Amino acid sequence: DAMVIQNPRYQVTQFGKPVTLSCSQTLNHNVMYWYQQKSSQAPKLLFHYYDKDFNNEADTPDNFQSRRPNTSFCFLDIRSPGLGDAAMYLCATSRDRVAGYTFGSGTRLTVV
Amino acid sequence: AQTVTQSQPEMSVQEAETVTLSCTYDTSESDYYLFWYKQPPSRQMILVIRQEAYKQQNATENRFSVNFQKAAKSFSLKISDSQLGDAAMYFCAYRSQRDDKIIFGKGTRLHILP
Repeated sequence: DAMVIQNPRYQVTQFGKPVTLSCSQTLNHNVMYWYQQKSSQAPKLLFHYYDKDFNNEADTPDNFQSRRPNTSFCFLDIRSPGLGDAAMYLCATSRDRVAGYTFGSGTRLTVV
Repeated sequence: AQTVTQSQPEMSVQEAETVTLSCTYDTSESDYYLFWYKQPPSRQMILVIRQEAYKQQNATENRFSVNFQKAAKSFSLKISDSQLGDAAMYFCAYRSQRDDKIIFGKGTRLHILP
């Protein structure tokens, strides 16, 4: 089945140690998104790609970066994770502006 | 900037009963899309229902329906015949026709009482 896959499902990293979360899709959607969701809060958009065009949200910390090497894959890099970066990270894709999102299952990041 | 407000952090409903989740939004645009997403505990967020702003008819998907009041900027979700599997966090969301991104409300946690 076509879908959005996030790996790993759970990630534990040390304070200050770089970590990469991955997302892949078989939907061939143009747009890919990374959201941060803290407990019982709305998902917060970090950035998104429309094809290869990168769009960063103004309030996304510099600590967060992203790469999209091809249509299928998108990565979230956290250069120096702090305790405040512990959250669920959601990847989503969208065919175009009319369609809604298709979400992955998320990666829950714990910082120790 | 557009905003989405869900004023009910938590709600409970008896199994088989009907419940309505409220959502209001603020926008100066006339063309946009509205969504309700469901996020079960520790599970994937899925789309429940969507509404195009240019359509007057309210969207319906089986037991889920919306009451879209464009002038009032209101977009409520009605769940009929509630089932235990409906227990989840529900997010109301807005998307401009001119933008790639969706703006989410803070969510309403729905409990289903057996």
